[in-house]
Amino acid sequence: NAGVMQNPRHLVRRRGQEARLRCSPMKGHSHVYWYRQLPEEGLKFMVYLQKENIIDESGMPKERFSAEFPKEGPSILRIQQVVRGDSAAYFCASSPLEQTHTEAFFGQGTRLTVV
Amino acid sequence: TQLLEQSPQFLSIQEGENLTVYCNSSSVFSSLQWYRQEPGEGPVLLVTVVTGGEVKKLKRLTFQFGDARKDSSLHITAAQPGDTGLYLCAGAPTGNQFYFGTGTSLTVIP
Repeated sequence: NAGVMQNPRHLVRRRGQEARLRCSPMKGHSHVYWYRQLPEEGLKFMVYLQKENIIDESGMPKERFSAEFPKEGPSILRIQQVVRGDSAAYFCASSPLEQTHTEAFFGQGTRLTVV
Repeated sequence: TQLLEQSPQFLSIQEGENLTVYCNSSSVFSSLQWYRQEPGEGPVLLVTVVTGGEVKKLKRLTFQFGDARKDSSLHITAAQPGDTGLYLCAGAPTGNQFYFGTGTSLTVIP
């Protein structure tokens, strides 16, 4: 009964390259959330997706960032033309479709370093 | 604007001491969750509180949900170095979108 799986755990990109972060939710979960965390800081909401739909992307920068959660396969957070300021830990969480009191379970994160 | 404010932001205590961490909001939540995050790892769910006034215990950790369901507290008795980490409260006031608190970074010194 695997938990939320994120890969890669560590990702190094040069300025201007693209970064692709993957998140496979827990079995039976159809809600996915992406968060960004800077050192010594809390989690900042980026985007909330359900299968094939973006529900809320109010926390995601309008340029260079995009997210998807296709019918099949993992959720992808894509950062184009990365800059040094994109260096952070990116966490994905998932929750079930129908639940009275929502609980989210997190992956171990992807640590992106832009050099 | 931060929906959930946690205090204190940083806390450093000696092993064996007691401590309380607070999570406050002006919004009403149907439930609140507490997570602990260790360096290099993702947050791990500790507990969910649902009913106003509810108290839940997890070994040396006691969680309380405010009567008005706008705030919560986490009390740790006889803290141990293994309790060191970032404590986060979270909740969804409407729908399923989760909001996280600002976090309390706890260091327990042996």
